[in-house]
Amino acid sequence: AQRVTQPEKLLSVFKGAPVELKCNYSYSGSPELFWYVQYSRQRLQLLLRHISRESIKGFTADLNKGETSFHLKKPFAQEEDSAMYYCALSGRGGDDKIIFGKGTRLHILP
Amino acid sequence: EAQVTQNPRYLITVTGKKLTVTCSQNMNHEYMSWYRQDPGLGLRQIYYSMNVEVTDKGDVPEGYKVSRKEKRNFPLILESPSPNQTSLYFCASSFGGVFNEQFFGPGTRLTVL
Repeated sequence: AQRVTQPEKLLSVFKGAPVELKCNYSYSGSPELFWYVQYSRQRLQLLLRHISRESIKGFTADLNKGETSFHLKKPFAQEEDSAMYYCALSGRGGDDKIIFGKGTRLHILP
Repeated sequence: EAQVTQNPRYLITVTGKKLTVTCSQNMNHEYMSWYRQDPGLGLRQIYYSMNVEVTDKGDVPEGYKVSRKEKRNFPLILESPSPNQTSLYFCASSFGGVFNEQFFGPGTRLTVL
């Protein structure tokens, strides 16, 4: 069964410190992974996806199939990074369902 | 402006009274989807649609219905709402399918008494 686990409900990091939001998944086929973000009073929006291999707002995420992880990283946290982050998974070649993790609230301390 | 709209934004109703939450997108997207967001549970997919007249169940479809008669609209129907359907609901759409960026609506906060 598809499953996405974000082990941290809340992560507090000082401004300028590195950030790592963890995401582990369970999927028997070939997964496609995403990170979505919801800033305060804004709509949920795509931050980045594995297939694009891009860096958005300084964030990167690497798919590690051995560890079944897709952790989100940023070397230097900024106050505007405070938001709710969701990891999500869909399966290549399967149906068009998508599974979201429970989310991690990132709080950047001044 | 390209966007996804939902109506109503807030709704308080009573158990058993049928309701519909509308969702409309003006981006000519094929894929549309409904989610509910609950504290501690994140987002869970209710139903999705790959195109007109094509709908399929997500992870939590029980108690909900959808229809896709036009490409731009994807209403969510609660035939007999119950208190456990009190939640924040989001509609989203994307071009082509779930692998592409989904654009989310502003959300509808539903309370069932």
